[in-house]
Amino acid sequence: GAVVSQHPSWVICKSGTSVKIECRSLDFQATTMFWYRQFPKQSLMLMATSNEGSKATYEQGVEKDKFLINHASLTLSTLTVTSAHPEDSSFYICSARDGTNQETQYFGPGTRLLVL
Amino acid sequence: AQSVTQLDSHVSVSEGTPVLLRCNYSSSYSPSLFWYVQHPNKGLQLLLKYTSAATLVKGINGFEAEFKKSETSFHLTKPSAHMSDAAEYFCVVTRGNDYKLSFGAGTTVTVRA
Repeated sequence: GAVVSQHPSWVICKSGTSVKIECRSLDFQATTMFWYRQFPKQSLMLMATSNEGSKATYEQGVEKDKFLINHASLTLSTLTVTSAHPEDSSFYICSARDGTNQETQYFGPGTRLLVL
Repeated sequence: AQSVTQLDSHVSVSEGTPVLLRCNYSSSYSPSLFWYVQHPNKGLQLLLKYTSAATLVKGINGFEAEFKKSETSFHLTKPSAHMSDAAEYFCVVTRGNDYKLSFGAGTTVTVRA
């Protein structure tokens, strides 16, 4: 149980284009999902909290117009990197909080984004 | 504010020997603490968690951790390392009632044959 998937697993795009990453909780409902960014050899940095049916809350320093988050259902959150640039290249990881076990977050396998 | 310090950026052990990964935390309240493992190019897997119950927590794959409030530590141990334990390990603490997480910098474990 408690499986989180991400799609795509990797993506290469041209500078200036937008990329959408999906995060799904497969066997539980997630009222809250989180989006993280991880640079090579570094730790995870929380970007934003995605709440079903409401606006996402962003961490300090994260551009909300750059990283659009939509959480339209209890099992799906999407992160769209708009007008991507090479500095947006990173490993993006989502997690979902199980409502019955609220302290624990279950992580997706990550999406590697390369912007050329 | 909550913060996590992993005292070793890299730990190298021989297969079959014990593993110790050190973690200290600071928190203005009683946090929940976790250890996650990340294999190359993979997502994070929960090893174990402490949520104010027993101070000695047993996790998957033979790992365990002891919560010591007096020392503000949550060190991870395994009595006998296996080659498959080579990975990145993160000590994580809850930031508050909103269930956000703060991650340590990570410890890279290598296992020598």
